[in-house]
Amino acid sequence: SQTIHQWPATLVQPVGSPLSLECTVEGTSNPNLYWYRQAAGRGLQLLFYSVGIGQISSEVPQNLSASRPQDRQFILSSKKLLLSDSGFYLCACEVAGSAKNIQYFGAGTRLSVL
Amino acid sequence: AQSVTQPDIHITVSEGASLELRCNYSYGATPYLFWYVQSPGQGLQLLLKYFSGDTLVQGIKGFEAEFKRSQSSFNLRKPSVHWSDAAEYFCAVGAGDYKLSFGAGTTVTVRA
Repeated sequence: SQTIHQWPATLVQPVGSPLSLECTVEGTSNPNLYWYRQAAGRGLQLLFYSVGIGQISSEVPQNLSASRPQDRQFILSSKKLLLSDSGFYLCACEVAGSAKNIQYFGAGTRLSVL
Repeated sequence: AQSVTQPDIHITVSEGASLELRCNYSYGATPYLFWYVQSPGQGLQLLLKYFSGDTLVQGIKGFEAEFKRSQSSFNLRKPSVHWSDAAEYFCAVGAGDYKLSFGAGTTVTVRA
């Protein structure tokens, strides 16, 4: 079965600094990959998803970008963080070709922008 | 596009009592339905899923959910709650494309 690794687990960054969060997947090939943000006390907001290397779809215009340099690697980035970027970031994967929407999640990264 | 409503933001239940979490969805056809659980500071764990067939589905940790097409609902139940069930629960709906729509979540508090 697939395992999703996210790091770091916790991050405190000053406003205006860059960001790089990494997600790697084991146990499956060519997965669909997702980045979500969860603000305090709120549900999940889909930020980006990817169905293959170099293929990124953005759901919400914002200060963040995503890249997929390898099949099982998904990176969330920002050039300059805003206070509003604080939140809990979750990476998820879906087995390719399943068409069943079954997503499995990593443990998340808690980002605090100060 | 599909959408999900979880009417209860917070539920408090006594240990050993039954639990029911409500979920209503909006979608034109039969959706794929999911319940996830999130412990504080953790990722989401899949509890159960419904695609088709038997409308009562069993999941992990003693949870079950029932799909009711006429009510556009997919409520989650557990007959006897344990203290470890205190968490946030998310209902989600998918349409077979790449995206899941999540509800806002229900926080469950278990009192001794």
